[in-house]
Amino acid sequence: ETGVTQTPRHLVMGMTNKKSLKCEQHLGHNAMYWYKQSAKKPLELMFVYNFKEQTENNSVPSRFSPECPNSSHLFLHLHTLQPEDSALYLCASRGPNSGNTIYFGEGSWLTVV
Amino acid sequence: KQEVTQIPAALSVPEGENLVLNCSFTDSAIYNLQWFRQDPGKGLTSLLLIQSSQREQTSGRLNASLDKSSGRSTLYIAASQPGDSATYLCAVGDMRFGAGTRLTVKP
Repeated sequence: ETGVTQTPRHLVMGMTNKKSLKCEQHLGHNAMYWYKQSAKKPLELMFVYNFKEQTENNSVPSRFSPECPNSSHLFLHLHTLQPEDSALYLCASRGPNSGNTIYFGEGSWLTVV
Repeated sequence: KQEVTQIPAALSVPEGENLVLNCSFTDSAIYNLQWFRQDPGKGLTSLLLIQSSQREQTSGRLNASLDKSSGRSTLYIAASQPGDSATYLCAVGDMRFGAGTRLTVKP
C-alpha cells in the first residue's frame, strides 16, 4: 500500500464510450503524474501536474483529457478511444515531505473493444 | 530529450548469486535517480532514491550507485532470492523511465 489509490482497477470500454480513471493520494504531495504502460514498451509519461497546474503534456492525443481539481485528486477522462489505447494506466505522486520519492498506484487496466 | 537505457533487458540467475543491473541516461543534468521494482500486473514500488549530490544508496541487500558524469547508475543485488524476481526500472530526474530489466531468480 503506497498511499496512492486508483479506481477502477479494471475497465473495459467500447470505442464510443466515455469513462474516467481516478487517482487519489492523501500523502500531502504536490505533484501528480499519469503514465501509460503498454506491453513491451517503456513507461510513457503522459501528464504532469504541480500544485494543480498542468506542467507537462507529452503530445498526448486529445481523446485523453486530464483533470486535477485539487492536489489530492487526479482524473483521466477517456472518450472515443482506440484499441491501441488498451494498456495499464498508472498514477503517481511526489512531494518534498517524502524526500521526493515517487509513489505509484496499482494502476488501472484499460481494455478498449 | 532525456533517453534512458537499461541493460540487460532480461536476466536469469540461480538463487544466491550477486548481480548488477545497469541504467544509462543521456542528459547528466539530473537532480535524482530512482530505482523501482514492478511485479507482473502491479504498480511500481520504489526501492532506492539517489539525489544528484550522492554517489550511492543502500537498503538491505540492494545498493545503487550514481555516476552523473558518465550518465550511469547500477543496482547491485546481493545474494539473490526467488522473491527478487520482478522487473526493475530506473527513472531519472523528471521521471523518464527505462524499459526495465526483467529478472528471474531460479530456486
